[in-house]
Amino acid sequence: DIQMTQSPSSLSASVGDRVTITCRASQSISTYVNWYQVKPGRAPKVLIYAASSLHSGVPSRFGGSGSGTDFTLTISSLQPDDLATYYCHQSYSTPYSFGQGTKLEIK
Amino acid sequence: QVQLVQSGAEVKKPGASVKVSCKTSGFTFSRFGITWVRQAPGQSLEWMGWISPYNGKPNYAQKLQGRVTMTTDTSTSTAYMELTSLGSDDTALYYCARSSFGSGGQLYFDYWGQGTLVTVSS
Repeated sequence: DIQMTQSPSSLSASVGDRVTITCRASQSISTYVNWYQVKPGRAPKVLIYAASSLHSGVPSRFGGSGSGTDFTLTISSLQPDDLATYYCHQSYSTPYSFGQGTKLEIK
Repeated sequence: QVQLVQSGAEVKKPGASVKVSCKTSGFTFSRFGITWVRQAPGQSLEWMGWISPYNGKPNYAQKLQGRVTMTTDTSTSTAYMELTSLGSDDTALYYCARSSFGSGGQLYFDYWGQGTLVTVSS
């Protein structure tokens, strides 16, 4: 099974900051990585799919990069609405797996 | 617009079964797979399985094999997930999600239900 190691587990940043979250796969998975935003009481939302493609309707301040084993989610200018937990996800092989999550707080 | 609306919260006793529904609208149901994901309190997301749009066959997580059954009703565009022999570690928020593919065949979950809380308690 493929393990996804996500870091950091929590992060506090100020409005306007550039924020980076990383995810490392236990084996090479090409670009089969997606990123989701989860807010309490709300349905999860996909932000980035196929490592770097921005899902329709997602603000352009969100970006993704990487291939093989190392992947990054970047928020170029943090906004108050970005308070959430973020998860990476591999869809290279079943059982599909998620990272442990990064809880993002606004200073 | 695409919508996935799940059934309400459930409280079950250990050893019982639960069946969660996911009614969809806004897209051609037979052309997309439906995935089920759960999140136990304080834990990450866990993939449970999905039903392929190509052959209608389910693919379950190994750890749930024998206890989980995923089905679809194309006449009502509704997906179902049944989990049997419930234990306390099955207490979780259960989500259904529509499965789509990127241009390179990368699977991702583009629309999600609101979640169904299943609590297992004696």
